[in-house]
Amino acid sequence: NAGVTQTPKFRVLKTGQSMTLLCAQDMNHEYMYWYRQDPGMGLRLIHYSVGEGTTAKGEVPDGYNVSRLKKQNFLLGLESAAPSQTSVYFCASSPYGQPTDTQYFGPGTRLTVL
Amino acid sequence: GQNIDQPTEMTATEGAIVQINCTYQTSGFNGLFWYQQHAGEAPTFLSYNVLDGLEEKGRFSSFLSRSKGYSYLLLKELQMKDSASYLCAAMDSNYQLIWGAGTKLIIKP
Repeated sequence: NAGVTQTPKFRVLKTGQSMTLLCAQDMNHEYMYWYRQDPGMGLRLIHYSVGEGTTAKGEVPDGYNVSRLKKQNFLLGLESAAPSQTSVYFCASSPYGQPTDTQYFGPGTRLTVL
Repeated sequence: GQNIDQPTEMTATEGAIVQINCTYQTSGFNGLFWYQQHAGEAPTFLSYNVLDGLEEKGRFSSFLSRSKGYSYLLLKELQMKDSASYLCAAMDSNYQLIWGAGTKLIIKP
């Protein structure tokens, strides 16, 4: 099992460009999450999904869109990148989002917006 | 508001014991998590507490006091590989994790 994978691992964008980050999990988990991690701050939830075809907003959703067309994939889109979106993005998954369910994280995507 | 506080950085000596504290304020409470994150890597799960008391797992133990909104992670017999950031997170009433900024633990020989 590969667990949770993310592509790409690194990306540099210019302001205004768009891109999509892909997260894939092979553990048949229902719940998937997108977080961003910035220096000196905790992980912040961007969007999450409780199952195929569903998405919901997290703490910092502005400027991002998501889609969960297949259970194993969760895509994060930036339509018009801004320097404030420079961050490390982590995808995570958990079986059913319950307190006793561990969240498993992908290796992260390091995004720089110039 | 919701808030997690933990020290920014701690230093300890190889073979010693270190305690990393965490205080939390959340809307509802469904448990306290500790994750380990090595530099440049993903967070990995260490422990989960929902009842008051101490949970021991090998060299690592985690304590929770719900009435005080307080938890600590205790690491014994420190090894160089324990150098990492330790993230405290509380699960709120919506089953979402509220994360602290992490405590960077530096282990010296």
